[in-house]
Amino acid sequence: NAGVTQTPKFRILKIGQSMTLQCTQDMNHNYMYWYRQDPGMGLKLIYYSVGAGITDKGEVPNGYNVSRSTTEDFPLRLELAAPSQTSVYFCASIKVRDRIYNEQFFGPGTRLTVL
Amino acid sequence: GQQVMQIPQYQHVQEGEDFTTYCNSSTTLSNIQWYKQRPGGHPVFLIQLVKSGEVKKQKRLTFQFGEAKKNSSLHITATQTTDVGTYFCAGRVAGGTSYGKLTFGQGTILTVHP
Repeated sequence: NAGVTQTPKFRILKIGQSMTLQCTQDMNHNYMYWYRQDPGMGLKLIYYSVGAGITDKGEVPNGYNVSRSTTEDFPLRLELAAPSQTSVYFCASIKVRDRIYNEQFFGPGTRLTVL
Repeated sequence: GQQVMQIPQYQHVQEGEDFTTYCNSSTTLSNIQWYKQRPGGHPVFLIQLVKSGEVKKQKRLTFQFGEAKKNSSLHITATQTTDVGTYFCAGRVAGGTSYGKLTFGQGTILTVHP
C-alpha cells in the first residue's frame, strides 16, 4: 500500500490564483480529513468527509472547498488564494467501523506559499 | 469550542536527560492520541489512550491519561538524538457526534543536544 499520497509537494501561488491539492489513499479508509499547519503550531481541521458524497466543515473552512466523489480521493480546492493561506497542508485518513476510531494516517504534506 | 493546551512549547535537553510534555483539555475526552512529527515530516501516530487513569509504555516512552480524562502526559526517559521532533497530543470529545475529529495541541518541540 502507498498509504496517503499528496500532490504537489510544493507550490507557490500568486494572490488571487486558484489551485487544487490532491489527496489519495489506497487503504479503503472511509473517513478523510484536511488539516493546515502554520509554523510552530498544531494542526487545524479545514474539512472532513465520512464517506463518498459526504463532506463537512472543520475549524477553519473559509477560503477552501472539498469534494469526495470516490472513497480514495479527497481534493482540497483553494479559490482566490490569499497570503493567510500560506501553510503546510496535510491530508489524513482513518478506517472507522462501529464508531471505533483508531490512528489517523497522514500524507507527506503540501507546502504552499502565497505571494 | 474545545481547546487542547500543551506545555511546554519548547524543550531543550542534553542527551540522556528525561523529557515530559503535558496536555490539558477544556472538556472531557473520549480518548487521546499522541503523534510525533520529525522536522520537515508529517505526524506519525504513537499511541492511543482510552481508559481513565491508563498508563502505557513503549520502550523509553510512558504515556498517561488522567483520571478525569481531561489531561495526559508523555514522558521520555534518557532521551536520544533520535527523539528530536515535535510531539502532539490530540483529543476526541466525549459524547456527541464527533466523526473522529481530533483537536490537536500546539505541540512541544524537543531538541536533544548530544
